[in-house]
Amino acid sequence: DVKVTQSSRYLVKRTGEKVFLECVQDMDHENMFWYRQDPGLGLRLIYFSYDVKMKEKGDIPEGYSVSREKKERFSLILESASTNQTSMYLCASSSFRDSPLHFGNGTRLTVT
Amino acid sequence: LAKTTQPISMDSYEGQEVNITCSHNNIATNDYITWYQQFPSQGPRFIIQGYKTKVTNEVASLFIPADRKSSTLSLPRVSLSDTAVYYCLVGDFGSGNTGKLIFGQGTTLQVKP
Repeated sequence: DVKVTQSSRYLVKRTGEKVFLECVQDMDHENMFWYRQDPGLGLRLIYFSYDVKMKEKGDIPEGYSVSREKKERFSLILESASTNQTSMYLCASSSFRDSPLHFGNGTRLTVT
Repeated sequence: LAKTTQPISMDSYEGQEVNITCSHNNIATNDYITWYQQFPSQGPRFIIQGYKTKVTNEVASLFIPADRKSSTLSLPRVSLSDTAVYYCLVGDFGSGNTGKLIFGQGTTLQVKP
């Protein structure tokens, strides 16, 4: 069974802090994704990556960056956290062809 | 990418069959239809995927008519633990477009005792 592990379930940070959200998958998947989920807005794609050191912007990349130095790990970085980045962050992975997304259990980030 | 439309919410009772229909009028030839389930405070979980006709697994069935402009997720004999949000997605996984799939609002299914 595919396992996607997010490093923290809950995180509280202060405005202006640099925040790192880590995600690791154990199935050698090529693709990895970061979404955020907010009430009434559904899931929105922030960034995704099809290979090591590759990244592409999703629908809402502003205020975020990502890093993929190893195939199994995809990090989301909030350069300077703001209160409007308080959200549930979900990481997902998939293999390249005909494979559904496999999600982690999410990190609930609160920025105060 | 095809946009999907599904009911915002549905109610059911334990032991009933639940059918959730999703409309996707602009589905493309290479698109697959995929359904996910999400419980509170968890990530979405893959349920079933299909291209045409009928697909069945141990959890659900997926019915897709010949024109593929809609699909119906069927959950047999639901229990309280099936209370969740169900998302319908349409996209071409094989072309690397997986990341661009759009999760809409989903259908919140409430199963009552």
